[in-house]
Amino acid sequence: QVQLVESGGGVVQPGRSLRLSCAASGFTFSSYGMHWVRQAPGKGLEWVAVIWYDGSNTYYADSVKGRFTISRDNSKNTLYLQMNSLRAEDTAVYYCARDRGMTTVVTPFDPWGQGTLVTVSS
Amino acid sequence: EIVMTQSPATLSVSPGERATLSCRASQSVSSNLAWYQQKPGQAPRLLIYGASTRATGIPARFSGSGSGTEFTLTISSLQSEDFALYYCQQYNNWPLYTFGQGTKLEIK
Repeated sequence: QVQLVESGGGVVQPGRSLRLSCAASGFTFSSYGMHWVRQAPGKGLEWVAVIWYDGSNTYYADSVKGRFTISRDNSKNTLYLQMNSLRAEDTAVYYCARDRGMTTVVTPFDPWGQGTLVTVSS
Repeated sequence: EIVMTQSPATLSVSPGERATLSCRASQSVSSNLAWYQQKPGQAPRLLIYGASTRATGIPARFSGSGSGTEFTLTISSLQSEDFALYYCQQYNNWPLYTFGQGTKLEIK
């Protein structure tokens, strides 16, 4: 079955870096756009970044632009999020999610991984 | 950025009754509107996309309607497992995807 499994979360000091991974299985990873979405404790969902199926295009929320980098390795069926210059307000559960449809950007997210918690604190 | 506003913030309904959740977009998103369900400690799950199409495996008691700026999620006869958080999302204005702030559906 389709599965997304995030890893790499943890506690990090402000200003430091962290890299998240999302391992995909059960579908042709190289055919789908992929996203990172985050949820601060007790808050709602915030879209963070998207990468096209072939890695040719990436887009970011203004809140992370210039600090976070989304990338993918289609040979390893893995999505990444490199997070630099972390701030307290980046504390959240980070979910990876797949485009529901192929070959279109006008599509919701389905499925989602179980999430990995990132805590930025001194 | 398109702002998505959900109402009410909390909805109290008895099991077996109907629940109606609303979502309003600050500008038209056509029918590019999704609803997600999130239970405590779990990831969101896609319920409805295209404003009215149920995702795979979603029971028929869930239905969506609307287009443009006004949308509704209706749960016809609430089951115990339906009490959760619900989010709407517009994906029309990509890549600036935006979510509503959520509606908590609680047992009355």
